[in-house]
Parts: sequence; C-alpha cells; structure tokens
Amino acid sequence: EVQLQQSGPDLVKPGASVKISCKASGYSFTGFYMHWVKQSHGKSLEWIGRVSPKNGGTNYNQKFKGKARLTVDMSSSTAYMELRSLTSEDSAVYYCARSYYDQGAMDYWGQGTSVTVSS
Amino acid sequence: DIQMTQSPSSLSASLGGKVTITCKASQDINKYIAWYQHKSGKGPRLLIHYTSTLQPGIPSRFSGSGSGRDYSFSISNLEPEDIATYYCLQYDNLYTFGGGTKLEIK
Repeated sequence: EVQLQQSGPDLVKPGASVKISCKASGYSFTGFYMHWVKQSHGKSLEWIGRVSPKNGGTNYNQKFKGKARLTVDMSSSTAYMELRSLTSEDSAVYYCARSYYDQGAMDYWGQGTSVTVSS
Repeated sequence: DIQMTQSPSSLSASLGGKVTITCKASQDINKYIAWYQHKSGKGPRLLIHYTSTLQPGIPSRFSGSGSGRDYSFSISNLEPEDIATYYCLQYDNLYTFGGGTKLEIK
C-alpha cells in the first residue's frame, strides 16, 4: 500500500526556518517525483515545487524560489521541504504528493503538516 | 505561467442530483487536467486524470470532459459523502490548481 507519512505540526517564530518530512512507503521511491503543495487557511492549493528522488533535480514555482528548498534522503525514502525566513504568510498546511515522471498528476498524497508562524 | 479559472466557487445541490464544475485554462493544456476531491484534515484524492480517465476505485458517477482551454467535471446521483471541495489541476506545463469549488448538499 502506497503511503506518504508527514511529520507533525510545527509552531515556529517569525524569521526562523522549518523542515518538514514526508516518508514514502509501499512503492519505489526513485520511480516518482515528490511534490509539495501549500494550502493557506480558507484558500486554494498552490504548487510549490517538485523533486526527483532519482537525481535530486528540482523544479519550483517561481513564487517559492528562495522560500522553499526540496531535498530527498534515498536511504530512508524520505523527502524534505525546508521553508526559510518564515512570516505569517507561511502559516498553512503543507502536503507532499507523488506523481509519475511522465507528465503525471499527483496520485497519492500525505496527510498534511500544519505550520504556524507566530511569536 | 498557466492560470486556471474554476467556477463556481460554491454550489448547493440535492441528493440524487447532478452538478457540473468548469475550469478554463489561460492556454491550451492538451487535456492534461486532473480533478481532486478534498475533505478537511486529509490529503486531496485524485478522481480523474487526463481529462476523463477515472482513477481505479472511483465510481462512474464522476466524469470529466473537455479539450483545448475548456474543461468540465460532473458528479451525478449525489451522495452525502460527496460533500467536499473540488479542485482542477493543469499539469501540461508545471502545475496550477483552480480556485476550488465547495459543494454542499441541500
């Protein structure tokens, strides 16, 4: 069974960084992109970017360049997203999701990780 | 960047009824559109990809159609568990979500 298990909620101070994890199981980790998606409270979904576990290559939504950094650890089949210089605008639920390399939509999603930025 | 305009933003329908949601892309997306169901506290659930292909296990009450810039998604025989927010996603050129449609049952 494909599962994407995300880390728990985070409360972080403005200006700090946070690193969210997404542990994959039930499939070949290197066979799919891993995406990250943001949902601010009451708003739509925003695609942040994707990382290829096969070679570490990344693509970002221009809006999140400099804000998000996507990495993977192949030894533990875990993807990470680090968010830097946090402000209240970064308070949101963040999801990881996988897709096929060949122009695929995201088919399996994590349960989401809530990040709250507050002093 | 490709923009996706989804409408309506909310709708209300009766059990057993039918609803239709549309998404208009800012350019031709070559049928690379997917539709998701999203319930609070969970990750979105993929219902349809490549315009009209149902994911395994998704009932045929859900359907999609379209081409070029214009796409639609329908749910027939509405059931209580269909209460959710629905999103379109273009994945022809990177990824862009529509604004979402909140479905309520009358």
